[in-house]
Amino acid sequence: NAGVTQTPKFQVLKTGQSMTLQCAQDMNHEYMSWYRQDPGMGLRLIHYSVGAGITDQGEVPNGYNVSRSTTEDFPLRLLSAAPSQTSVYFCASSDRRGTGANVLTFGAGSRLTVL
Amino acid sequence: AQKITQTQPGMFVQEKEAVTLDCTYDTSDPSYGLFWYKQPSSGEMIFLIYQGSYDQQNATEGRYSLNFQKARKSANLVISASQLGDSAMYFCAMRERGSNYQLIWGAGTKLIIKP
Repeated sequence: NAGVTQTPKFQVLKTGQSMTLQCAQDMNHEYMSWYRQDPGMGLRLIHYSVGAGITDQGEVPNGYNVSRSTTEDFPLRLLSAAPSQTSVYFCASSDRRGTGANVLTFGAGSRLTVL
Repeated sequence: AQKITQTQPGMFVQEKEAVTLDCTYDTSDPSYGLFWYKQPSSGEMIFLIYQGSYDQQNATEGRYSLNFQKARKSANLVISASQLGDSAMYFCAMRERGSNYQLIWGAGTKLIIKP
């Protein structure tokens, strides 16, 4: 049971380069999301999806694109990296059915540095 | 205005003592949920405990309990008999009913347990 798998764990980019952070979950979760974590600021939501083919913006979407072609995968694309995108990125997923906690399960995180 | 406030950036506690980590929140939604997550130095996000706004009793999970004071809009995490392995960042987060499953996060408290 892998849970949420993120790749790569570390990445260094030059300003203007593009890249994709991969996220896959094997729990059949409908909800998937991407967060960034910066020092002293907690986690901020970038984009989220409530099912295949459905995505929406979070608090800090600028500079990032997402797509959700399958239930399992939710890649995050940086089209033209900027130093302000240096951060730790977390993918997280949860069930949406029923009421209650619907606890987010997180990936291990991806540390991105943009020079 | 901050929706989730964690007023203690850092805390030092002696091993085996109880710890209270503060969290206050702001919402006008009568239906919401409050979460606590732990982030050790290894970086992963670990779910600890959940409290629903309609739950009659304070949530407990092993050594973790939540001191939920609804009228004061506070949801403090209590760790009994602290251990060295409790040293970590602790984040409080809130999900409102109308938020489409988005979590709003506090800035976190860094807890260090002294031997």
